[in-house]
Amino acid sequence: DSGVTQTPKHLITATGQRVTLRCSPRSGDLSVYWYQQSLDQGLQFLIQYYNGEERAKGNILERFSAQQFPDLHSELNLSSLELGDSALYFCASSVGGAGGLIEQFFGPGTRLTVL
Amino acid sequence: ILNVEQSPQSLHVQEGDSTNFTCSFPSSNFYALHWYRWETAKSPEALFVMTLNGDEKKKGRISATLNTKEGYSYLYIKGSQPEDSATYLCAFHTLTTSGTYKYIFGTGTRLKVLA
Repeated sequence: DSGVTQTPKHLITATGQRVTLRCSPRSGDLSVYWYQQSLDQGLQFLIQYYNGEERAKGNILERFSAQQFPDLHSELNLSSLELGDSALYFCASSVGGAGGLIEQFFGPGTRLTVL
Repeated sequence: ILNVEQSPQSLHVQEGDSTNFTCSFPSSNFYALHWYRWETAKSPEALFVMTLNGDEKKKGRISATLNTKEGYSYLYIKGSQPEDSATYLCAFHTLTTSGTYKYIFGTGTRLKVLA
């Protein structure tokens, strides 16, 4: 158990809908990272927040947005969902990592299925 | 387009064998190279973060080397054990022209250690 928690574990929804995935980092960790793992694309980095501010951005679609709250938990919002958004979404956290050079600890993931 | 290649794609070795795999990445705009171990049905686990050319890191029977000038990193496992069976992922960590960071993952090397 890495100490990173993600909810929900599974989510099934329909195309066009909007969902919110939640991540609580390990106690004391300031950075939160979001990743998407889909069958055809492997692991893709989406976005990193450090102490509430966006620090790094990957291939995150405009339909997706994220934020990190003052208590350091983070939410990933996915809207206008498409079938291709079905994937496993991981959150990771690290102690500092303003520059991302610190070991990241991954949560168990949220499995999103879009029907 | 930034490309990160890992080879081989998959590998079967006998228990006790030593093995190694390669991660190739762009030799420009290098910031760091990350290695992860990912067991089936679990979350990725960070192994190493490598930043300097010539860096060598070790964790138990697993070690890694880095050559940023030619754009490759090797991961070595000495005396493979069945519990080493996993997918080994590398991620190229780069600083973009807009001053933000990005992580680009390889597709992984799937290792199976036979008892």
